Amino acid sequence: GENVEQHPSTLSVQEGDSAVIKCTYSDSASNYFPWYKQELGKRPQLIIDIRSNVGEKKDQRIAVTLNKTAKHFSLHITETQPEDSAVYFCAASGGSNYKLTFGKGTLLTVNP
Amino acid sequence: EADIYQTPRYLVIGTGKKITLECSQTMGHDKMYWYQQDPGMELHLIHYSYGVNSTEKGDLSSESTVSRIRTEHFPLTLESARPSHTSQYLCASRATGIGGEQYFGPGTRLTVT
Repeated sequence: GENVEQHPSTLSVQEGDSAVIKCTYSDSASNYFPWYKQELGKRPQLIIDIRSNVGEKKDQRIAVTLNKTAKHFSLHITETQPEDSAVYFCAASGGSNYKLTFGKGTLLTVNP
Repeated sequence: EADIYQTPRYLVIGTGKKITLECSQTMGHDKMYWYQQDPGMELHLIHYSYGVNSTEKGDLSSESTVSRIRTEHFPLTLESARPSHTSQYLCASRATGIGGEQYFGPGTRLTVT
């Protein structure tokens, strides 16, 4: 089955800096890669996703890149703000598999 | 408003009790999932369903059971709760089609004493 590895497990940045979280996946049939943000005590919420026919997608300060050949994808957050502090999860799914396989999460702390 | 609802939100029960965690969605999704998560930690898939009368065990072994008699309803039952079941349980549903967005419910925080 699919295996998703996520790094780093914790990331601390200064407000205004950029943050990058990386994930690798094992199943070449995977074609959908969402990123979720989970604030303390709240449910995970989708912040951006990318499908395998696209190499990059941006939404304001957030961007995701996908390298299908290397089987890795990354989340980029620019101009970080304290409200970006949360746990971020990457995930992958595809083919006839409708289950999302999640990475173990990255705790991002943005220091004012 | 289309959403996923979970009840109760918080539950404290004694060891050996039978409990059912409720999950309902008004999004019209066929696919529904249950995850177990300790605060801020990994999301462990414990059960999923691709439609009415379809249920499968997830990646994490669980002593719970589920049923899917109606599209919108996916309850999870623990026949005999133990302290090791103390955790947060998140229900989710996903749109049909490849790449459909998955939405999570607000969760049930279970404490077994």
